Amino acid sequence: SQKIEQNSEALNIQEGKTATLTCNYTNYSPAYLQWYRQDPGRGPVFLLLIRENEKEKRKERLKVTFDTTLKQSLFHITASQPADSATYLCAPGHTGTASKLTFGTGTRLQVTL
Amino acid sequence: EPEVTQTPSHQVTQMGQEVILRCVPISNHLYFYWYRQILGQKVEFLVSFYNNEISEKSEIFDDQFSVERPDGSNFTLKIRSTKLEDSAMYFCASSELSKAFRQFFGPGTRLTVL
Repeated sequence: SQKIEQNSEALNIQEGKTATLTCNYTNYSPAYLQWYRQDPGRGPVFLLLIRENEKEKRKERLKVTFDTTLKQSLFHITASQPADSATYLCAPGHTGTASKLTFGTGTRLQVTL
Repeated sequence: EPEVTQTPSHQVTQMGQEVILRCVPISNHLYFYWYRQILGQKVEFLVSFYNNEISEKSEIFDDQFSVERPDGSNFTLKIRSTKLEDSAMYFCASSELSKAFRQFFGPGTRLTVL
């Protein structure tokens, strides 16, 4: 069955450093992958979408890579700030016509001063 | 930026009662979704809705659940006879088009079943 794995342990980093979060998936080949941010008690907020023909995508301090051979996406936040503290969810796209999002468990990022 | 809205923000109900959760998707969006998140767990897909019918549903979305778009703006999730395990945060989402498009999530309704 399809499986999405994100590091379930919290990632603690110091302000100003680069945070790198990992999303691994197995048993399917998504044509695209989305990253969302979720704050406690709030709904997910879209950050970036990367397609299978794109190796890398950037938006301000965010960068996403998508390696379809390794079946992995990396999500980077450069010059991290305490306001970046949240849970980050990856959602590889489904094949066919399905538009639902299937999220990983998410990785909680804590940026400290 | 346009927003998805949900009401109520918190609903407390007795086991066996019916609840209706309401959502107003973004006005030009065509696809609508319900997800739920049990405390401490991941966000799970329940159902997608397009062109006034269900396009996909998960195993969670059994006969106790139904969705409706009663008018041009509201999108509702009904749970006919709530169970304790239905206690969760329910998120409505909408997207402009289907695949490979960002989904906009509402703030959620926290459902507590006693």
